[in-house]
Amino acid sequence: DAGVIQSPRHEVTEMGQEVTLRCKPISGHNSLFWYRQTMMRGLELLIYFNNNVPIDDSGMPEDRFSAKMPNASFSTLKIQPSEPRDSAVYFCASSGPVGRGYNEQFFGPGTRLTVL
Amino acid sequence: SQQGEEDPQALSIQEGENATMNCSYKTSINNLQWYRQNSGRGLVHLILIRSNEREKHSGRLRVTLDTSKKSSSLLITASRAADTASYFCGGSNYKLTFGKGTLLTVNP
Repeated sequence: DAGVIQSPRHEVTEMGQEVTLRCKPISGHNSLFWYRQTMMRGLELLIYFNNNVPIDDSGMPEDRFSAKMPNASFSTLKIQPSEPRDSAVYFCASSGPVGRGYNEQFFGPGTRLTVL
Repeated sequence: SQQGEEDPQALSIQEGENATMNCSYKTSINNLQWYRQNSGRGLVHLILIRSNEREKHSGRLRVTLDTSKKSSSLLITASRAADTASYFCGGSNYKLTFGKGTLLTVNP
């Protein structure tokens, strides 16, 4: 398996532009997580999907952020409009069915977002 | 709120020495997990300890869990320069919540 795939790896955009980050979880995993990492705030959980359904979006900072998971193999995190304070590394992670035990998360390589 | 908070924030040791990192969490958990992050990369799972376990070993790693104190420790024995990384703990119910990590530097 290729692991969790994220694209793009790097994104530089100007304030006000729409940004879409993409994630392909590991095949067979039914939980997907979006995280944001900055020096100031560390690693923050933004949203958690289980079986394609958003379960907990309490970490989404504001309405400019939205996330979708249209099917088991694809998720997007969208920021519209983007602001300089959104600059961070965004990670996607997936894990397997809870029924198989207490599950580790597998992280993608991250997308480094810079908003100018 | 952060479910896992690591201590110390930074740790610098010589190769061959042992490294101990601590983690505290706030609410009850099903398990606690430790992850490692090399600079510029995603987190990699190291070890998981369940709430009914007190100690677990994996290679040079030893993890303890004290649910009464809501704390855990990660011991890396005989450290190597390649162990240089940030280490995160996360308390888990249905989701993991991480702290800000401990930056471990192992000097050759």
